[in-house]
Amino acid sequence: AQSVSQHNHHVILSEAASLELGCNYSYGGTVNLFWYVQYPGQHLQLLLKYFSGDPLVKGIKGFEAEFIKSKFSFNLRKPSVQWSDTAEYFCAVAPGGFKTIFGAGTRLFVKA
Amino acid sequence: GAGVSQSPSNKVTEKGKDVELRCDPISGHTALYWYRQRLGQGLEFLIYFQGNSAPDKSGLPSDRFSAERTGESVSTLTIQRTQQEDSAVYLCASSARDRERRNYNEQFFGPGTRLTVL
Repeated sequence: AQSVSQHNHHVILSEAASLELGCNYSYGGTVNLFWYVQYPGQHLQLLLKYFSGDPLVKGIKGFEAEFIKSKFSFNLRKPSVQWSDTAEYFCAVAPGGFKTIFGAGTRLFVKA
Repeated sequence: GAGVSQSPSNKVTEKGKDVELRCDPISGHTALYWYRQRLGQGLEFLIYFQGNSAPDKSGLPSDRFSAERTGESVSTLTIQRTQQEDSAVYLCASSARDRERRNYNEQFFGPGTRLTVL
């Protein structure tokens, strides 16, 4: 069955620390890849997406993610986190572009 | 409207009762999705509708769950004979078709309906 695995359920960082959240998926074909974020009290919203082309994609608020096909991974990174990045982050995979499978989420807490 | 709306925002019901949850997608979005999010867990796919095609119901957990969509507008998710394990936040999302890639772009989420079954 198709699945998405996020390696960390909870991450605590200090401001200015670097962030990397892992995401692996199980699907051998062409996929669309997403990272969504849910800030406290807000709706889920798109952070960035990958469909094709350059495997390093940049999103909002200084986030980026790298698609490594051979590793079935789409890890999220940010060089220097801010307190306002405290949120829950979800990796999502859309095999074939329609039905979307979400990971369990990673709760990030950034200490000011 | 400006975004995806869902109603009610909160619903408390007694075990065994039926509930109906509503989703109004963004106008013009042909795809509509329902997810369930239990406390502390990720999003669990339930069902999606795309245009006039048959919906993908593969995520519905039991025959107590059903959903309908009127054309490319409102959708309702119905849970019959609710159980305590149905308690969760039910999220609706919609997306527009990317004509170039012939698939669907990012999903826009509603605020969710928090269902509590006593």
